[in-house]
Amino acid sequence: QQKVQQSPESLTVSEGAMASLNCTFSDGTSDNFRWYRQHSGKGLEMLVSIFSDGEKEEGRFTAHLNRASLHVSLHIREPQPSDSAVYLCAVSMNTNAYKVIFGKGTHLHVLP
Amino acid sequence: EAAVTQSPRSKVAVTGGKVTLSCHQTNNHDYMYWYRQDTGHGLRLIHYSYVADSTEKGDIPDGYKASRPSQENFSLILELASLSQTAVYFCASSVGTGGERLFFGHGTKLSVL
Repeated sequence: QQKVQQSPESLTVSEGAMASLNCTFSDGTSDNFRWYRQHSGKGLEMLVSIFSDGEKEEGRFTAHLNRASLHVSLHIREPQPSDSAVYLCAVSMNTNAYKVIFGKGTHLHVLP
Repeated sequence: EAAVTQSPRSKVAVTGGKVTLSCHQTNNHDYMYWYRQDTGHGLRLIHYSYVADSTEKGDIPDGYKASRPSQENFSLILELASLSQTAVYFCASSVGTGGERLFFGHGTKLSVL
């Protein structure tokens, strides 16, 4: 069974400083990686998806994938207090994509 | 923007009672999902469906039933609610399972007392 672990559990940064979140996975054949954000009491919204090694940028959000290291990260440029939320890593395989495994999330707090 | 609507937004149920959570999507998506979110756990898949009148078991189906009467509607049914089913439940939809993005509802907070 795929294991997806996120670190840190909680992260506090100042407004404008880069925020970096990490996600490790156990199944090296995974090829579909997404980062979702969940504001308190809300549903999840997708921020960025990445399917091959390297980086993918969507606005202020950049995902980096290194499948050999079983690692995918999310970097948030110039975070705002409104970016304070839980960030969830989601991993799946395109051939069996209904089986999306989510990490437990990183609580990001952005201080003004 | 794709829309997934869940009802109710919150519910208090008694142990042993029947609970039905409803989900409606206007995305014209074939796939719909029910997830459960608990403190200390990531989202876990309960049931999913890829066509009306058919449902499939996810990773934690015990104690839950699902119903997909139409492409737009997907319900989660707890026939005999238990304390351990207190959680936040999310419905989601996607175009297919080729790794497409999931669109989520706002969640239903269920408290079983």
